[in-house]
Parts: sequence; C-alpha cells; structure tokens
Amino acid sequence: ETGVTQSPTHLIKTRGQQVTLRCSSQSGHNTVSWYQQALGQGPQFIFQYYREEENGRGNFPPRFSGLQFPNYSSELNVNALELDDSALYLCASTPRDQKVADTQYFGPGTRLTVL
Amino acid sequence: GIQVEQSPPDLILQEGANSTLRCNFSDSVNNLQWFHQNPWGQLINLFYIPSGTKQNGRLSATTVATERYSLLYISSSQTTDSGVYFCPVLRMDSNYQLIWGAGTKLIIKP
Repeated sequence: ETGVTQSPTHLIKTRGQQVTLRCSSQSGHNTVSWYQQALGQGPQFIFQYYREEENGRGNFPPRFSGLQFPNYSSELNVNALELDDSALYLCASTPRDQKVADTQYFGPGTRLTVL
Repeated sequence: GIQVEQSPPDLILQEGANSTLRCNFSDSVNNLQWFHQNPWGQLINLFYIPSGTKQNGRLSATTVATERYSLLYISSSQTTDSGVYFCPVLRMDSNYQLIWGAGTKLIIKP
C-alpha cells in the first residue's frame, strides 16, 4: 500500500470528449506528478504540481491540464481526446520537503481507452 | 535528451532462478531508482541508488555512475517477482522530471 488512490480504475471515452481523472495523496504530500504510460512503454512525465501550482511540465500539449487542491487531492483533465491518449495514467506523490525523485509513491493508475 | 536503455527487454525464468537486469543511461544523472510494476500496473519503489550497492532481501542493486549503468540482481526468483522493472533517472538539470526506459518484462514460471 502506497497511500495513493486514483479513480476511476477504468474509463472508456470517445474521440473528442473530455475526461477528468482523480488522485488522492497521503496527508502532507505537497507534490504530485502525473504520468502517461502507453502499452509496453515506460511512463512519460506529464506535469507536476507543488502547493497547487504547476511546477514543471513534460512534452504534452495544453489540452492536458491539472489541478491540485489543499486537501492533497488532484485532477488531470484531458480535452479533445485522441485515440493516442489511450493509456494508463499514473499519479505519484512526494512527502513534504523531500526531493521529488527521491521518494515517489504511485497510485494504481486509471486505464483510459479512447474509441 | 538523456536516454535510458534497459536489457534484456524480456526474460522468462523458472522459479528459484537468479537474474540480472541492466540499465544504461546516456548522460550524467542526479539519481537513479529501480521500480517494480506488477501485472496490475502498480509501481513499487525498490531502490533509490544514485551510486554504490544496496541490498534488500533477495534483491540487490549496484550503480556505477561513472560508467553510466546500474544492475538489479534478483536471487531465488518467486512468481510474485513477475512484472516489469524500470530504472528511471533524474536529469542533472532537473529536480522533478524522471526519465524512464521501456523496462524489462520478467516472467517467473512456477
């Protein structure tokens, strides 16, 4: 158990729709990162939030956006879904004042299928 | 950008066998970690190992930062070791973006 939960577990959408994925971190984890993992590949960094502000972004278009809330929960929003957005979406949280890459606790992921 | 290459891509072993997984990276890095992703997708930290050697039960890891590689050793494999093993690295110019390779898929047969 990592203490990080994600919802929903699975989701099916059609091309052009919008989707919101949710993540709940442990209390005190101020940093959350989101990753996209396509089938057979390693995770790709989407962005990171620290204290409710975007703290870094990978090579993803603006239709990928996020929010972080004071209660240690966060959201990943994807607009205008494309077939290539089909993937496992992972969130990872980091304890307060620790370097992100030292200790990341991953949620179980949300598997998104875009038809 | 920095590249992470893992080998072998796939490995099938009988229960009880030992294995060595390799991770090569193309540039100097701030740190390196090993993760195990189980068949249901859950990623679990195994080691934080920017350099040196660490051991945890049947697992051990060694990173030689000057030669840009890391090794993960699994002894007396169990079926629960099955899954994909990743070794993400942190770029020297970043404090948040982990770079991941494609992983090594390990299947342990009973």
